[in-house]
Amino acid sequence: DSGVTQTPKHLITATGQRVTLRCSPRSGDLSVYWYQQSLDQGLQFLIQYYNGEERAKGNILERFSAQQFPDLHSELNLSSLELGDSALYFCASSVDSRSSSYEQYFGPGTRLTVT
Amino acid sequence: AQKVTQAQTEISVVEKEDVTLDCVYETRDTTYYLFWYKQPPSGELVFLIRRNSFDEQNEISGRYSWNFQKSTSSFNFTITASQVVDSAVYFCALSELTSGTYKYIFGTGTRLKVLA
Repeated sequence: DSGVTQTPKHLITATGQRVTLRCSPRSGDLSVYWYQQSLDQGLQFLIQYYNGEERAKGNILERFSAQQFPDLHSELNLSSLELGDSALYFCASSVDSRSSSYEQYFGPGTRLTVT
Repeated sequence: AQKVTQAQTEISVVEKEDVTLDCVYETRDTTYYLFWYKQPPSGELVFLIRRNSFDEQNEISGRYSWNFQKSTSSFNFTITASQVVDSAVYFCALSELTSGTYKYIFGTGTRLKVLA
């Protein structure tokens, strides 16, 4: 158990809909990362938050947005869903420092199926 | 620009064989970090090792070992006496400082199948 929790585990929704994925980082970790993993694909970095502020952006679509709340949990919002958005969405957290880079601990993922 | 190449898409070995997973990276920085992660069939990614660019010492942890060579920009991972439970997708990752923050990039992964 990595200590990172994600809900829900599975989500099935229709095209055009909006969903929210939730993540709670490991105790003490201030950084949260979101990744998308499509079938048989690698990990695509979407966005990183540090202590409530956006720190880095990857290949995140404009239809997607995220935020990190004062209690450090994070939510990833996906809107106007398309079939191609079907994927496994991972959240990860890490101890963060501007002077070093640390390993990320991943949650179990949310499997999103868009029909 | 940073880049991580895992040229081996899939490897199959028979149990008890040794297997090496290759990872080649590109970076302009002198300070960077390298990682390996395992993704078993259950799906969750598991951290295996972190190495900074100033530490070229090879590391061994049980049946796992890592060979870091800056001269060839490689950070290869060897599993000795492989077991069926080693079957997973293995990702190599590179982190370097970009615009004041460390950014991760993952390789495309190598799927290892260990046959009984």
